[in-house]
Amino acid sequence: SAVISQKPSRDICQRGTSLTIQCQVDSQVTMMFWYRQQPGQSLTLIATANQGSEATYESGFVIDKFPISRPNLTFSTLTVSNMSPEDSSIYLCSVHLMSDTQYFGPGTRLTVL
Amino acid sequence: DAKTTQPTSMDCAEGRAANLPCNHSTISGNEYVYWYRQIHSQGPQYIIHGLKNNETNEMASLIITEDRKSSTLILPHATLRDTAVYYCIVRPGSSNTGKLIFGQGTTLQVKP
Repeated sequence: SAVISQKPSRDICQRGTSLTIQCQVDSQVTMMFWYRQQPGQSLTLIATANQGSEATYESGFVIDKFPISRPNLTFSTLTVSNMSPEDSSIYLCSVHLMSDTQYFGPGTRLTVL
Repeated sequence: DAKTTQPTSMDCAEGRAANLPCNHSTISGNEYVYWYRQIHSQGPQYIIHGLKNNETNEMASLIITEDRKSSTLILPHATLRDTAVYYCIVRPGSSNTGKLIFGQGTTLQVKP
């Protein structure tokens, strides 16, 4: 298994500002992912965070809005840029292990006013 | 990746077995069935996965039909702490992408 932490756990932000969410894993992992969970909805994959190269974004998500960094095999950040109330969601990072299972962080609950 | 169909919600009495069905009629030969659950306000938790044989671990059992078009997750003795949304996901094993595509899941309510 893997222990995953996220910072911050929650935040309340003003419209038009940006927030950077950090994800830290206790072991080196090849694949890390970022998901969004809007209120009352299921999880939607935003992107795969690639170490040493640009993230791979899913349809409907763009780098300008959700820039992602992956400086090493244990850490990644997701920035939510120029926020609007529609960005209010839980943002989760996850890691894929060699056991072919995926583990999720506790999530960051974001409210945009 | 194959699509899955799950009931929107189910109830179960505490101490009884909870049987959660999932249909995946378009599953391919190299696709595994995964189950995750999400307890309110927490990140999803891995439960179990399998290809074609039935699987059991400390949390649950996974029964996959012979034609692999459907499966059932069994929680043998449900407790109140098992109240959660349960997601059935189908994806290729040892996938280079590793990503999971979540559906709406089944909300399981365990009642005293």
